[in-house]
Amino acid sequence: ELKVEQNPLFLSMQEGKNYTIYCNYSTTSDRLYWYRQDPGKSLESLFVLLSNGAVKQEGRLMASLDTKARLSTLHITAAVHDLSATYFCAVQTTSGTYKYIFGTGTRLKVLA
Amino acid sequence: DTGVSQDPRHKITKRGQNVTFRCDPISEHNRLYWYRQTLGQGPEFLTYFQNEAQLEKSRLLSDRFSAERPKGSFSTLEIQRTEQGDSAMYLCASSAAPGRGEDYGYTFGSGTRLTVV
Repeated sequence: ELKVEQNPLFLSMQEGKNYTIYCNYSTTSDRLYWYRQDPGKSLESLFVLLSNGAVKQEGRLMASLDTKARLSTLHITAAVHDLSATYFCAVQTTSGTYKYIFGTGTRLKVLA
Repeated sequence: DTGVSQDPRHKITKRGQNVTFRCDPISEHNRLYWYRQTLGQGPEFLTYFQNEAQLEKSRLLSDRFSAERPKGSFSTLEIQRTEQGDSAMYLCASSAAPGRGEDYGYTFGSGTRLTVV
């Protein structure tokens, strides 16, 4: 059964600092998605990573995928308060239902 | 097409009542998924439809839960005899059929937030 783990679960950081969120998963997949969720809201798509070595960047966020290590990272550069939210990674199974298995989420708080 | 629509956005119900949620997927998408997200947790898979066929149900989907997708279009999720533990955000997503090299990722709806009092 596919399991997805994120760490850290909680992250409090100062504005201007850099940090990385890690997403590890247990079985083979080359399809990984990152989402942002604000309190009480649905999921906002951030990145779609569809192959080994994929790297995507948008503003202060950069995501990468290493399928051999079964690891994805979400790197935050020079954090700003507006990035405060919960971030989820989701791994898609590659046969059958093609369902997503979500990580536990990383709750990010950026302090001014 | 306006994306995946869910109705209602919010529902407050008394314990023991039945509730039904509706999801209208993107019209070209033949795959439809329901997820449940409780406070502080990631979304958890509930069930999957391919066209009108319900092909997978999670063990989270107790006997009080039933989902349908008549004619392979919209879907409904019904919860009978609601309990306080059913309070959660219910998310619907749809996707196209997988093909080599294509992104057949989900499009999520805005969710239905259920509060059982």
